[in-house]
Amino acid sequence: DGGITQSPKYLFRKEGQNVTLSCEQNLNHDAMYWYRQDPGQGLRLIYYSQIVNDFQKGDIAEGYSVSREKKESFPLTVTSAQKNPTAFYLCASSIELNTEAFFGQGTRLTVV
Amino acid sequence: GQQVMQIPQYQHVQEGEDFTTYCNSSTTLSNIQWYKQRPGGHPVFLIQLVKSGEVKKQKRLTFQFGEAKKNSSLHITATQTTDVGTYFCAEDNYGQNFVFGPGTRLSVLP
Repeated sequence: DGGITQSPKYLFRKEGQNVTLSCEQNLNHDAMYWYRQDPGQGLRLIYYSQIVNDFQKGDIAEGYSVSREKKESFPLTVTSAQKNPTAFYLCASSIELNTEAFFGQGTRLTVV
Repeated sequence: GQQVMQIPQYQHVQEGEDFTTYCNSSTTLSNIQWYKQRPGGHPVFLIQLVKSGEVKKQKRLTFQFGEAKKNSSLHITATQTTDVGTYFCAEDNYGQNFVFGPGTRLSVLP
C-alpha cells in the first residue's frame, strides 16, 4: 500500500534531550512538510522540503532541524532549544509544493 | 504575515441540521484547500478550489470560492454523526506556503 508513515505514534522524552521523529513516504512525492498541532489549535508549519537535498524554514522553525537526504524520508529533530516541545507532530507529503497533501498518522510527543 | 480567519470556532448541531463554516483571508488567494480531521486523527484532504466563484459538490458537502478569491465556505446539508470533526481551510497566497486556518470544530448530536 502507498502512504506516509510516521513513527512512533507516542514518544516520551526527558527535558533537555534531543529527539528525532521519523517520516517516510512511498508515494514518490517531491514535497514534504512538518506541522505542529497544539490542543484545539490549527496546524503550524515547521519546515518544508520542495525536493530532495533542499528544505526551508516554516513559521515556527526555531528549536527544530530537518534533513532530506532521500526523497522518501524527512526526519524532524526536536532539539533541547525548543521551549515547548510537547505537541502533536504531523508530517505530510504532496506531488509538488502546495498541492493536495497526504498526512501521516502523527506522533504525539510528550516531554517531561 | 498572512492571516487566516475561520468562523465559527465551534458549532454544535442536531443530526439532520445544516452546517456552514467560513474562511476569510486578508489577501487575494490563488487557491484554497479544505481538510477534515476526525477526533484523534490526522487531516484528510477534501477539495481544492482555484477559480473565482467556483462551486464544487461532494455528496452533502458544498464548497464555494468567493468572487474576489478572498473567502470560501463549506456547507454540509443534513449533518450526520460521521461528519463530526474539525474542518480546516488552507490558503495559498500565490506561491507562498499554504497557511492553515484555526479550524471549525463540529459536534453532531444524535
